[in-house]
Amino acid sequence: EVQLLESGGGLVRPGGSLRLSCVASGFPFSNYGMTWVRQAPGKRLELVSSISASAGSTYYADSVRGRFTISRDNSKNTLYLEMDSLRAEDTAVYHCAKVRQGVTLIVGDAFDFWGQGTMVTVSS
Amino acid sequence: DIQMTQSPSSLSASVGDRVSITCRARQSISSFLNWYQQKPGKAPKLLIYAASSLQSGVPSRFSGSGSGTDFTLTISSLQPEDFATYYCQQTYSTPFTFGQGTRLEIK
Repeated sequence: EVQLLESGGGLVRPGGSLRLSCVASGFPFSNYGMTWVRQAPGKRLELVSSISASAGSTYYADSVRGRFTISRDNSKNTLYLEMDSLRAEDTAVYHCAKVRQGVTLIVGDAFDFWGQGTMVTVSS
Repeated sequence: DIQMTQSPSSLSASVGDRVSITCRARQSISSFLNWYQQKPGKAPKLLIYAASSLQSGVPSRFSGSGSGTDFTLTISSLQPEDFATYYCQQTYSTPFTFGQGTRLEIK
């Protein structure tokens, strides 16, 4: 059974930093691209970042580029999202999700397994 | 960015009803359209990918159709566990954007 378990969320002041983690099990983690998707209160889902299986390729939404860094440790089956210079508009539930087809997120792909998410609140 | 618009935003229906949810893209996205189901406090679940392909393990009462700009998710006979929020997503071009969601409620 595929499981994705996020952690690391919490309350942080504007300008602060957080590091999210997502521990994966039930599939060969090192063979699949992974993503972070967030959902702000009352807003639609937003793809934040993705990383290829080997970590050789990454993608960032314009809204987080230069502030967030995605990474992975295939020896630990763990995906990370380092979030710096946090803003109020980054407040959201952050989900990690597995890419359906394979090593990287490509046109025509989908996210076939998701975690329940971890809440990030940016407020003074 | 490609804007995705779902209709209706909310829908009330009864167990056994046939319901359809529409997703419209601002420009053609070929068949690169996915559907997800989300229940409160739970992880989203992939139902349909590539507009009409049923994800493994998803009941056959769910089906998807469409291409270009107009897509439909149909549930042939609503079951109690189907009351949830449904989202479409285009993966034709980055950023891969989602619709605003359709909340399906019990009548």
